[in-house]
Amino acid sequence: QSVLTQPPSVSGAPGQRVTISCTGSSSNIGAGYDVHWYQQLPGTAPKLLISANSNRPSGVPDRFSGSKSGTSASLAITGLQAEDEADYYCQSYDYSLSGVVFGGGTKLTVL
Amino acid sequence: QVQLVQSGAEVKKPGSSVKVSCKASGGTFSRNAFSWVRQAPGQGLEWMGWIIPIFGTTKYAQKFQGRFTITADESSSTAYMDLSSLRSEDTAVYYCASRFGVAGTEAFDPWGQGTLVTVSS
Repeated sequence: QSVLTQPPSVSGAPGQRVTISCTGSSSNIGAGYDVHWYQQLPGTAPKLLISANSNRPSGVPDRFSGSKSGTSASLAITGLQAEDEADYYCQSYDYSLSGVVFGGGTKLTVL
Repeated sequence: QVQLVQSGAEVKKPGSSVKVSCKASGGTFSRNAFSWVRQAPGQGLEWMGWIIPIFGTTKYAQKFQGRFTITADESSSTAYMDLSSLRSEDTAVYYCASRFGVAGTEAFDPWGQGTLVTVSS
């Protein structure tokens, strides 16, 4: 059971927009800690996709965006492409655990 | 930007220990911080701990305190993770990653390629 809750799967057709939620609590996201997002393509290591809630590292397409509100955060992907099919993870910090926490991951399927 | 290359796959017996290395290049090793994250087969990511070589400071996830140790060798720009008293549930891919940001804001980028550790009798 992950501290941060993500939907196990989402799907969308090419060109569509999908969102992935990440729900935490008052000891992590709700306490003001940053949320980061990672993309893990099949058989590869995770890659930082969004840092500090909404910042895109160099090289990440602007089709990817992040937001945070209250005890939740969201990752939005617009103009869905086949290459976006991957697992996506949110990550934050939890003060009651005194450590980094990840969401359980969401598998994105491009129909 | 720093690049991370990890050691190869390991097969270990239950009760034994494993040590995985993570060699950094392309950056100032001591000024970086390195974290270890594992991923069991078909499962999500699990943070284990981190080290800041320049200070020798370490922090471990509560779950791994006691049988997990992170060290760093500045002369070879290499970070290590050592996991003891291995059990079948420790079978996973272990990733090292460069940690940036202060505590509470930290994110991980880039990541090593991962090392598969299989625990089996």
